[in-house]
Amino acid sequence: GAVVSQHPSRVICKSGTSVKIECRSLDFQATTMFWYRQFPKQSLMLMATSNEGSKATYEQGVEKDKFLINHASLTLSTLTVTSAHPEDSSFYICSASLQGAEEKLFFGSGTQLSVL
Amino acid sequence: KNQVEQSPQSLIILEGKNCTLQCNYTVSPFSNLRWYKQDTGRGPVSLTIMTFSENTKSNGRYTATLDADTKQSSLHITASQLSDSASYICVVTPTNNDMRFGAGTRLTVKP
Repeated sequence: GAVVSQHPSRVICKSGTSVKIECRSLDFQATTMFWYRQFPKQSLMLMATSNEGSKATYEQGVEKDKFLINHASLTLSTLTVTSAHPEDSSFYICSASLQGAEEKLFFGSGTQLSVL
Repeated sequence: KNQVEQSPQSLIILEGKNCTLQCNYTVSPFSNLRWYKQDTGRGPVSLTIMTFSENTKSNGRYTATLDADTKQSSLHITASQLSDSASYICVVTPTNNDMRFGAGTRLTVKP
């Protein structure tokens, strides 16, 4: 079945640094990828929708200059948390959409970001 | 108010027992409704996906039902196992593809 690889799975960084998270669709081309964040015991919250070759569409309240999304190819999207602060500590998950007779959504395994 | 409400928030059952999780939604019109299982610290894994015209769909010990008239869905887990301990998330996708996530039900299966 389709696989989405997300890397790294866990990252600890100092406040003020930037962190890049990669999301790859391993055996299919994903025209659309999604980025979410999840705080403990809360639901997934969609941050942005990323289409290959175009600018990402951000959800209301998500700072596009803070969370940089690049979708340079049909198999790779990256999320960069710039100038990270402790309040950015969260679980970040990506998903990739496989279009077909039935649209399917495959999730990465998530990245736990801890900002000290 | 969230457009997707799940109940209960948490549930504890004994191994081998059955359980049913509920999802009520106000999203309309919708394209599909999905149930996901999410282990702690992992990404969600798809269990079932149903369009508005489907009433039920099974995946092993998981059976999802959908009543589009009352805007309710349920996920029934049969003969629960310890590995079923996870959060179960209901996701409703409207026709404009703007997904709406429920807060999830945290299921704990005890031996």
